[in-house]
Amino acid sequence: GIQVEQSPPDLILQEGANSTLRCNFSDSVNNLQWFHQNPWGQLINLFYIPSGTKQNGRLSATTVATERYSLLYISSSQTTDSGVYFCAVVSGSARQLTFGSGTQLTVLP
Amino acid sequence: DVKVTQSSRYLVKRTGEKVFLECVQDMDHENMFWYRQDPGLGLRLIYFSYDVKMKEKGDIPEGYSVSREKKERFSLILESASTNQTSMYLCASSSPGTLGANVLTFGAGSRLTVL
Repeated sequence: GIQVEQSPPDLILQEGANSTLRCNFSDSVNNLQWFHQNPWGQLINLFYIPSGTKQNGRLSATTVATERYSLLYISSSQTTDSGVYFCAVVSGSARQLTFGSGTQLTVLP
Repeated sequence: DVKVTQSSRYLVKRTGEKVFLECVQDMDHENMFWYRQDPGLGLRLIYFSYDVKMKEKGDIPEGYSVSREKKERFSLILESASTNQTSMYLCASSSPGTLGANVLTFGAGSRLTVL
């Protein structure tokens, strides 16, 4: 099946800093989603972005499908951005998402 | 807002017990999923369902079964719990929507400890 690799595995930032999270995948995809899991375990969908660029407030995402990667940008980070960020993809005829192992983000006050 | 509700936030069970994890969604979604989450492994799909009474195996179905008797409810069953099934269990639902996006909405999770 498709392989999904996220980097870095861990990231520690000072409040106000910017960051870029990366998701590489091993095959072409027809669905790509980014999720944030807060420290209490709740997963929230951030973006559905199989290609192109989207922005939502301080967060934006870009997927370059031809080069098999996606980037999540967090600007002016806040302590509430802390948690785990997951990338998940669907490839080919598969009907379910395959998740990466996540990036653990800690934003210090 | 779509709400996915998992019946138990924390459970402690003994080895060999039968365990039921319940999940209910209130937005008439066709698709429902059960994942388990373990440190360093991300989310792994156990079972999913695209319609009532239909189920398909995910990546790690061994030791689990599921039931979907009603569209809004998807149950995960551990017939005989073992210590290696100690984990966080996450239920999700989705609908194809106009874009066929199948954007997932997750429940809050059920943390199961098997002693």
